[in-house]
Amino acid sequence: EPEVTQTPSHQVTQMGQEVILRCVPISNHLYFYWYRQILGQKVEFLVSFYNNEISEKSEIFDDQFSVERPDGSNFTLKIRSTKLEDSAMYFCASRTGGPSAQFFGPGTRLTVL
Amino acid sequence: GENVEQHPSTLSVQEGDSAVIKCTYSDSASNYFPWYKQELGKGPQLIIDIRSNVGEKKDQRIAVTLNKTAKHFSLHITETQPEDSAVYFCAATPLGIQGAQKLVFGQGTRLTINP
Repeated sequence: EPEVTQTPSHQVTQMGQEVILRCVPISNHLYFYWYRQILGQKVEFLVSFYNNEISEKSEIFDDQFSVERPDGSNFTLKIRSTKLEDSAMYFCASRTGGPSAQFFGPGTRLTVL
Repeated sequence: GENVEQHPSTLSVQEGDSAVIKCTYSDSASNYFPWYKQELGKGPQLIIDIRSNVGEKKDQRIAVTLNKTAKHFSLHITETQPEDSAVYFCAATPLGIQGAQKLVFGQGTRLTINP
């Protein structure tokens, strides 16, 4: 069964450093998402991406964040200058077109020291 | 914007009994309501979903009901088994930018099945 994959599973970085989180969505999916989950809290929407552009973003997704689909398979989330409060689990999700379910990857745990 | 409230935050039931988790949403235009199961160290896994034109949906031991008038929906798990122990999240999709379909999640319910 096809699944969303994410790398790395755990990333440790120093405050102020740039990080890139990588995702490979399911191959025939058209819509891509990033969510985050701070430890013990609910899953929060960050951004949705379709047809090579951002379709919606949340207040959390400020100028420090960017997304890219550099080729036909990868979908990346970049945080330019990490802050302590960026420490969280980051989930990538994807879905096909039309009304359809979102499928989540296993997540990347980001720890900012 | 859309707000989803989920109750209870923790639920402990005896193996074989039923478990019910309830969610309310605020945006009457929301039209899609999935439920996810999250096991320790893993991503949310879709277990069942329902659209606003349907009142109830069942898949083996799992069922979801939706009351659009009251703006609440519930997950029912019957004949619970130890492997049902996990955190369960409800979510709603508000009517937003066409096609974006972001999910707004509830706070989660930690379900423990006692053998």
